[in-house]
Formats: sequence, structure tokens, C-alpha cells
Amino acid sequence: AQTVTQSQPEMSVQEAETVTLSCTYDTSENNYYLFWYKQPPSRQMILVIRQEAYKQQNATENRFSVNFQKAAKSFSLKISDSQLGDTAMYFCAFDGSGNTGKLIFGQGTTLQVKP
Amino acid sequence: GAVVSQHPSWVICKSGTSVKIECRSLDFQATTMFWYRQFPKQSLMLMATSNEGSKATYEQGVEKDKFLINHASLTLSTLTVTSAHPEDSSFYICSASGAGLNTEAFFGQGTRLTVV
Repeated sequence: AQTVTQSQPEMSVQEAETVTLSCTYDTSENNYYLFWYKQPPSRQMILVIRQEAYKQQNATENRFSVNFQKAAKSFSLKISDSQLGDTAMYFCAFDGSGNTGKLIFGQGTTLQVKP
Repeated sequence: GAVVSQHPSWVICKSGTSVKIECRSLDFQATTMFWYRQFPKQSLMLMATSNEGSKATYEQGVEKDKFLINHASLTLSTLTVTSAHPEDSSFYICSASGAGLNTEAFFGQGTRLTVV
């Protein structure tokens, strides 16, 4: 069975600093997609970044970047220059379903950005 | 990105009644839609996958007779919670994916269901 684990239930960071959220997963698939989603208090799911497993280069989106370690099955999210608007719950998600959009989510990490 | 609209945003119903939640893709054809359930401060748990014109595939442990899913068109899927009980109170979220969209799943705003 495919599983996603986020071992940090809560984290905090000072505004303008950098924070890294951890995620590990387990799968026997070779081709899959990994995602980080942000869920603010409105509870709308917002895609932050995606990584295709066959691509060795780590994905980046402005202040957000990932460290994808395929052999270790690790997929961490780094947020640089943290902003107050980054305060939210962050979910790591896995799609090993042949790229259909069917997602398995980790438990989530609540991030608090402090002024 | 593509837009998915979920309705209603919140609903309160009496125990024993049924409630229907709609998930619409507004600007693309959703070949596949997914329904998730989320308890407060917890993860999203996949309930079922629906493909247009065919029966939904339910995840293990999800009662198909309680959570009826219909995906009658390429832009609409509905989740009906039948004979609702207080333990069905939760946040329900749909997502939709379609051909030509890089298979990215787009999420609705979610529906908060409270059964009293």
C-alpha cells in the first residue's frame, strides 16, 4: 500500500526566515507525482508545487522549492522568506495512480509564521 | 487554473434526512472526480473515485449505500449522504481532473456538513 508520512504536526517560523517541512512516502511504483498543497483557514486547497518522479531536478516555484530524494523516498518543502500569508496547514500528497489526479495525503503540518 | 465549484459551502440537516452536495467543473470537462472527507485538523481521506457515466469506486471502509455518488455528466458529480447521523458531520471536498490538464486535480471549496 502507498503511504505518505508527515512527522511534524506543527511548526513555526519567524517572518522572513526559511523553514523546511518534511515528507516521506512509500511506494513500489517507479513513475509517480508528488505534491505540496496549502490549506489556509478558508480550507480551500491550493497547489504549491509538484514534482514528477522521473525528473531529477528539484521543482521550484518562487519562494517554494523541494528537495526530492527518490531513493530515500523523501520530499521536503522549503519555504524561503516566509510571509504571514504562508500561515496554513500544508499537506504532502502522492499520485501513483497512473496520473489520474487520485491523491493520497499525509497527515499535514500546521505552519505558523510569526511577525 | 481550472475552476471547480462545490455547493453548498455549508449545510445543516436533521438526523435521518439526506443531503446532496454538488461538484461542478466550470471551464473544463472532468473525466474523473474524487470525493474526500476531512475531520478538523486532520488529513483528507479519499472516499471514492467517480468517472463520468460509470459507477463510482469506493475506498475500503466507505459505505456505498450511505454515500451515493453520481457522475452523470462531464461537469457534474454529486455526493448524497443518506440517512445522515451526527457522526457524518465533517468537511467534504471534491476534486476534478480532466484530459489535457496535466492530470492536475482541481479542488472545490469544500462543504461543511453538520447533522443535528
